[in-house]
Amino acid sequence: DADVTQTPRNRITKTGKRIMLECSQTKGHDRMYWYRQDPGLGLRLIYYSFDVKDINKGEISDGYSVSRQAQAKFSLSLESAIPNQTALYFCATSEGGEAFFGQGTRLTVV
Amino acid sequence: QKEVEQNSGPLSVPEGAIASLNCTYSDRGSQSFFWYRQYSGKSPELIMSIYSNGDKEDGRFTAQLNKASQYVSLLIRDSQPSDSATYLCAVRAGSGGYNKLIFGAGTRLAVHP
Repeated sequence: DADVTQTPRNRITKTGKRIMLECSQTKGHDRMYWYRQDPGLGLRLIYYSFDVKDINKGEISDGYSVSRQAQAKFSLSLESAIPNQTALYFCATSEGGEAFFGQGTRLTVV
Repeated sequence: QKEVEQNSGPLSVPEGAIASLNCTYSDRGSQSFFWYRQYSGKSPELIMSIYSNGDKEDGRFTAQLNKASQYVSLLIRDSQPSDSATYLCAVRAGSGGYNKLIFGAGTRLAVHP
């Protein structure tokens, strides 16, 4: 089993719908991250969390919210999805050094 | 100015040649630097990490760091077609324990037979 698991792997949703992307990890890391990837733009940080009570906005947090339900779980929500949120989303964990990534969630908003 | 900058490429090299990938960063206090490889549609995987000035070698890969110039590079010797991928430079930036991992946009490498 993967150390960092994202669900769903693929999702198509309609404009205006609420959607949640989930991430769970078995690495025991405190730090968890959500990134978004668009062609030619690399990985852009949406939110990051250093522990259950410590959540921070990244460079592109508008339109997104997160919940750190436990050390092992970090969810990303789009309250009202819009087409320009169509992208590949990655969850990652770390202990302060390198990051370990989930398999990614390909989200399409139509 | 972006925090981490890379040339988007594509960088095209013949099989067997040396591929040189470059990255600059803006936070002078950054302490940790990473190179990730990403195949299309897949998640990034770590190739190299480097923390101090100089060179670090691992097989066909060499990472080079120059903190005074805020520059980090990755050399791939004896390039193979299987090296064709996007290479992401990542920098751990921020003060104290509140640092975060920031990625460049990536350089696409194409190794042709």
